[in-house]
Amino acid sequence: KAGVTQTPRYLIKTRGQQVTLSCSPISGHRSVSWYQQTPGQGLQFLFEYFSETQRNKGNFPGRFSGRQFSNSRSEMNVSTLELGDSALYLCASSFGTGMNSPLHFGNGTRLTVT
Amino acid sequence: EDQVTQSPEALRLQEGESSSLNCSYTVSGLRGLFWYRQDPGKGPEFLFTLYSAGEEKEKERLKATLTKKESFLHITAPKPEDSATYLCAVQGVGDSSYKLIFGSGTRLLVRP
Repeated sequence: KAGVTQTPRYLIKTRGQQVTLSCSPISGHRSVSWYQQTPGQGLQFLFEYFSETQRNKGNFPGRFSGRQFSNSRSEMNVSTLELGDSALYLCASSFGTGMNSPLHFGNGTRLTVT
Repeated sequence: EDQVTQSPEALRLQEGESSSLNCSYTVSGLRGLFWYRQDPGKGPEFLFTLYSAGEEKEKERLKATLTKKESFLHITAPKPEDSATYLCAVQGVGDSSYKLIFGSGTRLLVRP
């Protein structure tokens, strides 16, 4: 069974640009969550999507947005990039949102903003 | 506020030298406690979920235990391939029940 796939693996952007990251969940998983990982803050929750609806959003500015498609694939977008947005962006999927549905993570997209 | 603290930050072991990693948590009602392993350049890999105090789970050389305030990840006779960062996360039942709260991790290095 294929795992969570994230593309691209690496991105280099300059300040002010925007970026779109893509995530394909494990087949059959309907819930997709996004996390930002940095050395200083660790893993921080960005959003959660279920059945194409954003159910929850973390404490990030409005420049961070996302969406989920009918096939459960998800994208996240960051506009007007800042240097502090440099991080590993991780997508995770789960079958549902209950206690017996642990998150399974992809290998992330490493974003560098210069 | 839900919080997770992991210790030590880093741990060096000789191959075969057993030890434990600690995860202390503060949460308003525990829905689940999760252990993940993360290798450099990769995403976290799911290891265990624990739901209630007294519960234990095992996988190869790893054993996770849970009390009302902390969890331990015991590593028995580790091998160099066990070297990784081990992350602990909790999911509470309160306002933040939709997300995992992660600790900062323990970097484990096992030398041959």
